[in-house]
Amino acid sequence: QVQLVQSGAEVQKPGASVKVSCKASGYTFTSYSIHWVRQAPGQRLEWMGWINTGNGNTKYSQKFQGRVTVTSDTSASTAYMELSSLRSEDTAVYYCTRDNSWANYWGQGTLVTVSS
Amino acid sequence: EIVMTQSPATLSVSPGERATLSCRASQSVSSSLGWYQQKPGQAPRLLIYDASTRATGIPARFSGSGSGTEFTLTISSLQSEDFAVYFCQQYNNWWTFGQGTKVEIK
Repeated sequence: QVQLVQSGAEVQKPGASVKVSCKASGYTFTSYSIHWVRQAPGQRLEWMGWINTGNGNTKYSQKFQGRVTVTSDTSASTAYMELSSLRSEDTAVYYCTRDNSWANYWGQGTLVTVSS
Repeated sequence: EIVMTQSPATLSVSPGERATLSCRASQSVSSSLGWYQQKPGQAPRLLIYDASTRATGIPARFSGSGSGTEFTLTISSLQSEDFAVYFCQQYNNWWTFGQGTKVEIK
């Protein structure tokens, strides 16, 4: 069965960076792109970026352009999302999802807390 | 960016009753619209894609309709497990999400 398993919760200081991983199993990793979405407390889901795991092409939300980097390691069937220059407003649950145009598979979420 | 607006913010419904949730797009998204259910502490779960197609394993009491800018999710007879937050999502131009409708027990 398709599974996306994300790395564990993180606590980071303002100005630092965080890198979240998303390990895929149950399907051919390079056949589906991966999106990253976040959800701050009490807020709507927010799309951050996307990677074509077949060729490495990426696309980022304008809001996060310059601060977010999405990569993938096809040998490990794992996607990564790195967010830099963290601020308190980046405290959120970060999700990876498998792209089928819509999102039919989600990781369990990774809580990133930004606090001094 | 396409803005998705859901109404109402909160819907109070008795078990067994019908619930109707609305989602409006700031510009046409054709039928590229999905609906998701989210319970506390869980990832969203896909219910409907392409505006009206139920995802695998989703009960028939969930139905979606609409196209262009106006969409509706209907839950025909609410069960206890259906009390949750529901989001719409457009995927016509990358992804954006609505702010959610909380369906609570009346």
